[in-house]
Amino acid sequence: DVVMTQTPVSLSVSLGGQVSISCRSSQSLVHNNGNTYLSWYLQKPGQSPQLLIYKVSNRFSGISDRFSGSGSGTDFTLKISRVEPDDLGVYYCGQGTQYPWTFGGGTKLELK
Amino acid sequence: EVQLVESGGGLVQPGASLKLSCVASGFTFSDYWMSWVRQTPGKTMEWIGDIKYDGSYTNYAPSLKNRFTISRDNAKSTLYLQMSNVRSEDTATYYCTRAPRLDYWGQGVMVTVSS
Repeated sequence: DVVMTQTPVSLSVSLGGQVSISCRSSQSLVHNNGNTYLSWYLQKPGQSPQLLIYKVSNRFSGISDRFSGSGSGTDFTLKISRVEPDDLGVYYCGQGTQYPWTFGGGTKLELK
Repeated sequence: EVQLVESGGGLVQPGASLKLSCVASGFTFSDYWMSWVRQTPGKTMEWIGDIKYDGSYTNYAPSLKNRFTISRDNAKSTLYLQMSNVRSEDTATYYCTRAPRLDYWGQGVMVTVSS
């Protein structure tokens, strides 16, 4: 299975600040078709996960441009700029390149 | 508006069987692959498996393949997860989600395996 490793486990941020979350995979996430199926999800307290970013850098419908994804191969980053209260929660990366699909352990974003 | 509503969870004894359902609305269910994902009490996310839009093909996490079965009824816009011989480690919140992007998730249903 592809192991997804997220760092840091937790992150404190001031409102209006910027943060980055790293996600590394144990194998390249480049699919045979040339696409890289790396996604980012946010789970707000008491809610289901929601998709933020798919295929490394594509924002899902309705997602603010304050969220941006980048990376390639095995190294990926989610950046959140001008952090707002509604951004707090646990962020997960996930890969859909190779079965079984797998997720990172999560990064908890908290207010400083 | 896309909606996914799971049901069928609860307290179940070890070794028993349980069938979860997920009713979809707001999109053409028969056009999409669908997945089940579970989240343990410790918040670990685990992909269970998925099913092709016409129900003709499924994929499973190897560790669950022998005990879990995913099916669907497109006429009812409903996804199912049949769980058999459940164990304490199956205790989790189970989500149905639209594949392949996992772009919409249900509210989740809790399954607790305990005697």
